[in-house]
Amino acid sequence: GENVEQHPSTLSVQEGDSAVIKCTYSDSASNYFPWYKQELGKRPQLIIDIRSNVGEKKDQRIAVTLNKTAKHFSLHITETQPEDSAVYFCAVIGGGGNKLTFGTGTQLKVEL
Amino acid sequence: DTGVSQDPRHKITKRGQNVTFRCDPISEHNRLYWYRQTLGQGPEFLTYFQNEAQLEKSRLLSDRFSAERPKGSFSTLEIQRTEQGDSAMYLCASSLVAANTGELFFGEGSRLTVL
Repeated sequence: GENVEQHPSTLSVQEGDSAVIKCTYSDSASNYFPWYKQELGKRPQLIIDIRSNVGEKKDQRIAVTLNKTAKHFSLHITETQPEDSAVYFCAVIGGGGNKLTFGTGTQLKVEL
Repeated sequence: DTGVSQDPRHKITKRGQNVTFRCDPISEHNRLYWYRQTLGQGPEFLTYFQNEAQLEKSRLLSDRFSAERPKGSFSTLEIQRTEQGDSAMYLCASSLVAANTGELFFGEGSRLTVL
């Protein structure tokens, strides 16, 4: 089955700095790569996603880049704010599959 | 609130007891997923339905776990003879296949504690 690895497990940045979280996946036929944000005690919520026919996607302060050759994709958050503090999960839908396989999560802490 | 709803939100039970969780998806969504999440980990896939058909089950899902979606609307997840290792957050999610976005909409989860 699909194997998704996510790094780092924890990330602490100063307010206003950028944060980058990286994921690698195993199935070269994977075609959909979302990122979810989960605040403490809350449900995971989609913040951005990218499909395999696109290399980069941006939405205000958030961007995702995809390198299909290397089988990795990254989440970039610029001008971080305290409300960005949460756990972020990458996920992948494998080729021919219909379920999301999640990474292990990154605890992001934005310090004042 | 027209999002995914789960009940109960919290369940404490003794080892060996049976528990059942219910999920009501977003009304027009035809896919429904169950995931399990333990502390510090990402959601782990258990099973999913398209309408009333259960199309995939994780190999990690033991025979003590059963899920149903009898009318293609709400779903139940039953755990029989609970074990302490079953303690986790059970998340339900739904999606609309025709939307072709792949986005899953999660409920708030049902937290199970097995004593």
